[in-house]
Amino acid sequence: GAVVSQHPSRVICKSGTSVKIECRSLDFQATTMFWYRQFPKQSLMLMATSNEGSKATYEQGVEKDKFLINHASLTLSTLTVTSAHPEDSSFYICSARGGGGLETGELFFGEGSRLTVL
Amino acid sequence: SQKIEQNSEALNIQEGKTATLTCNYTNYSPAYLQWYRQDPGRGPVFLLLIRENEKEKRKERLKVTFDTTLKQSLFHITASQPADSATYLCALAYPGNTPLVFGKGTRLSVIA
Repeated sequence: GAVVSQHPSRVICKSGTSVKIECRSLDFQATTMFWYRQFPKQSLMLMATSNEGSKATYEQGVEKDKFLINHASLTLSTLTVTSAHPEDSSFYICSARGGGGLETGELFFGEGSRLTVL
Repeated sequence: SQKIEQNSEALNIQEGKTATLTCNYTNYSPAYLQWYRQDPGRGPVFLLLIRENEKEKRKERLKVTFDTTLKQSLFHITASQPADSATYLCALAYPGNTPLVFGKGTRLSVIA
């Protein structure tokens, strides 16, 4: 099946710093990628839809200036958490559709990035 | 807005038994209903999907049913094994390149 790679898998940073998370589709092109956030024992919450070559679409309540998304190529989307605070600590997961997934809606997920802000 | 409920947060079951997980939704039926498995600290992995015009789908020890009248999907794991222990998420998918809507998941523990 299609592979989505996410990096880094874990990151610890100080409050006030910025952190960049990369999401790559390894064997398919993804015009659209989705960024989710998941708190412990909670559901996956969609943060934004990343579109190649255009601005991301953010869900209500997600600050676009805080969570910067760049989808510069058909295989790479990045999420930058700017001026991170402890409440931003969470599990961030990217996903994309490729191949048959465009018809069935099946998503391929990255392994996730655990962000801890001290 | 669409809401999804998975019947229980956690489910414990004896090895060898059949595990049954429930996913209910409100409002309009999705084009597809999908089930994913998520292990701790990992991203979800796709398991099965069922279309709105299908009643049942099987894959090895997994079976999914979809009742658009009840607005419910059931996910069964037969002959459950400890390795099946994980969180199972249901998700609703609609036509077009739209994001999935996920339930909170049910954490299944299969006890040997």
